[in-house]
Amino acid sequence: DAGVIQSPRHEVTEMGQEVTLRCKPISGHDYLFWYRQTMMRGLELLIYFNNNVPIDDSGMPEDRFSAKMPNASFSTLKIQPSEPRDSAVYFCASSSLFFNSPLHFGNGTRLTVT
Amino acid sequence: KNEVEQSPQNLTAQEGEFITINCSYSVGISALHWLQQHPGGGIVSLFMLSSGKKKHGRLIATINIQEKHSSLHITASHPRDSAVYICAVSLHSNYQLIWGAGTKLIIKP
Repeated sequence: DAGVIQSPRHEVTEMGQEVTLRCKPISGHDYLFWYRQTMMRGLELLIYFNNNVPIDDSGMPEDRFSAKMPNASFSTLKIQPSEPRDSAVYFCASSSLFFNSPLHFGNGTRLTVT
Repeated sequence: KNEVEQSPQNLTAQEGEFITINCSYSVGISALHWLQQHPGGGIVSLFMLSSGKKKHGRLIATINIQEKHSSLHITASHPRDSAVYICAVSLHSNYQLIWGAGTKLIIKP
């Protein structure tokens, strides 16, 4: 089992550019989560999917953020246009059941927007 | 008052010491998670428990539902245990996870 795979590991971009983060969940997991981690706010849930369907995106900070899950093995988180305050580590996680199942995290993408 | 509180915030100990990290919560939960985050960022789920006690290697996690309290213990601590340990709870009422602020553990050789 390869675990949750995220790419890229690091992304440095200029303000105003589009950024796309990618995630491959563990095969067979029905739930996929996108989190953002900053020093100020800790880990924040941005959005989660169940069986490829977005269930709640209330954590998405604003319309510049969008997430898709076109199939069970792939999800993207897009920021357009990016801003310096978007700089953070973005984690993807998956689990087989939501409430009573461990979360499996990817290694994260460290985003720096200059 | 935060709904999930961890203590201590920072802990430095010598190699070999027995470590205890505490987590208290004030809401009804369906499960409690302990996670580990190493410098460099990767997050690993250590335990998910809703009652009793779980053990994995040198790590032990306990939970007391009545007292709304959980502890994470590390026996025979080692420098490689140095990391941030995070407690998070799954709520009964909805899907959200509420995260503690984390405990930064440093084990000195």
